[in-house]
Amino acid sequence: EVQLVQPGAEVKKPGATIKISCRVSGYTFTDLYIHWVRQAPGKGPEWMGLVDPEDGETIYTENFQDRVTITADTSTDTAYMEVSGLTYDDTAVYYCASGSCTTSGCYTPADWGQGTLVIVSS
Amino acid sequence: AIQLTQSPSSLSASVGDRVTITCRASQGISSGLAWYQQKPGKAPNLLIYEASNLESGVSSRFSGSGSGTDFTLTISSLQPEDFATYYCQQFYSFPVTFGPGTKVDI
Repeated sequence: EVQLVQPGAEVKKPGATIKISCRVSGYTFTDLYIHWVRQAPGKGPEWMGLVDPEDGETIYTENFQDRVTITADTSTDTAYMEVSGLTYDDTAVYYCASGSCTTSGCYTPADWGQGTLVIVSS
Repeated sequence: AIQLTQSPSSLSASVGDRVTITCRASQGISSGLAWYQQKPGKAPNLLIYEASNLESGVSSRFSGSGSGTDFTLTISSLQPEDFATYYCQQFYSFPVTFGPGTKVDI
């Protein structure tokens, strides 16, 4: 079973940068696609992008491609998402999730981390 | 980006009821649709992938159907643990998008 572990919560000031980690275990890291999805309070999920750890290829949604960088470190089976220029609107729970091309599909996240609450506050 | 709409946005039902939720895509997405269940404070949980395939470990009272632009999620006999919000998600083309959700309550 795939397990994804994220830090619990972070508080950042407007304009700051945050880098969230997502440590993966229980599956071959390079056989997964790692997605990042955020959910603002009371809102639905919003997909931000993904990384293929095998070759580092990334895909971003247009809304975030100027502020978001997603990477994967195969030496530690850990994915990262960095968001720069934080605003109050970035207050949300940020989830990493994995999709397996051999089961439910590369682009259908089946296993999710517990989420990282990011609060942007002055 | 492909837009997804869901109906109804919320519904009230009783244990044992048959419940159907609809998701419509702004353009054809073949079978590129998944359904998730989310409970408060928890991550989404995958129920159905590729429109009609039941995810491993998910109860068979959940089923999905449809292709192209119109899809449905059916819960054959609602159980107490099924009261939650349900989201459809398309992965036919990037960016991946989610529907606005359907809240199922008592």
